[in-house]
Amino acid sequence: DADVTQTPRNRITKTGKRIMLECSQTKGHDRMYWYRQDPGLGLRLIYYSFDVKDINKGEISDGYSVSRQAQAKFSLSLESAIPNQTALYFCATSGFGSEQYFGPGTRLTVT
Amino acid sequence: LAKTTQPISMDSYEGQEVNITCSHNNIATNDYITWYQQFPSQGPRFIIQGYKTKVTNEVASLFIPADRKSSTLSLPRVSLSDTAVYYCLVGEAFGNEKLTFGTGTRLTIIP
Repeated sequence: DADVTQTPRNRITKTGKRIMLECSQTKGHDRMYWYRQDPGLGLRLIYYSFDVKDINKGEISDGYSVSRQAQAKFSLSLESAIPNQTALYFCATSGFGSEQYFGPGTRLTVT
Repeated sequence: LAKTTQPISMDSYEGQEVNITCSHNNIATNDYITWYQQFPSQGPRFIIQGYKTKVTNEVASLFIPADRKSSTLSLPRVSLSDTAVYYCLVGEAFGNEKLTFGTGTRLTIIP
């Protein structure tokens, strides 16, 4: 089984809809991250969490919110989706001082 | 946060050694240099990390000169499966929540 799983893998939604992307990890790491990637560009950090009680904004947090339900679960929400949030979303996890492990990604399209 | 500069793209033939150089003139004392590989529609995968001189693992080597203002990722005898985007990141190894991926180097291996 994959260490980092994301659901759904693909999602098409309409402008104004609320949508939640979910991430689970089995590596036992405390740190979890949400990134978005636009075509031809690198990854940009949306939110990150050091543990269940710690949530931090990344460079592009506007329009997004997160919830760290447990050490293994980190959800990303778009309260009112807009077309420019169409992107590939990645969840990642890391231990203290070690590399980040990424999930397979969620392709989100907002029409 | 140290910025990095990498070539946008590179081509190489199968079987050759490929060197990708990254510039990071503003690297801080506590910063490490980390390289990731990303295939299309997949999350990035950690390749190698180093602080100074040379680091080698089963996949690649990382060369870092004494001034640490640049680094070179070396991939020995590349194959078609090495076609990917390679990202150079600079940041504290124990505070990697603010790593910036940038646009990376798109490496294309030619048969």
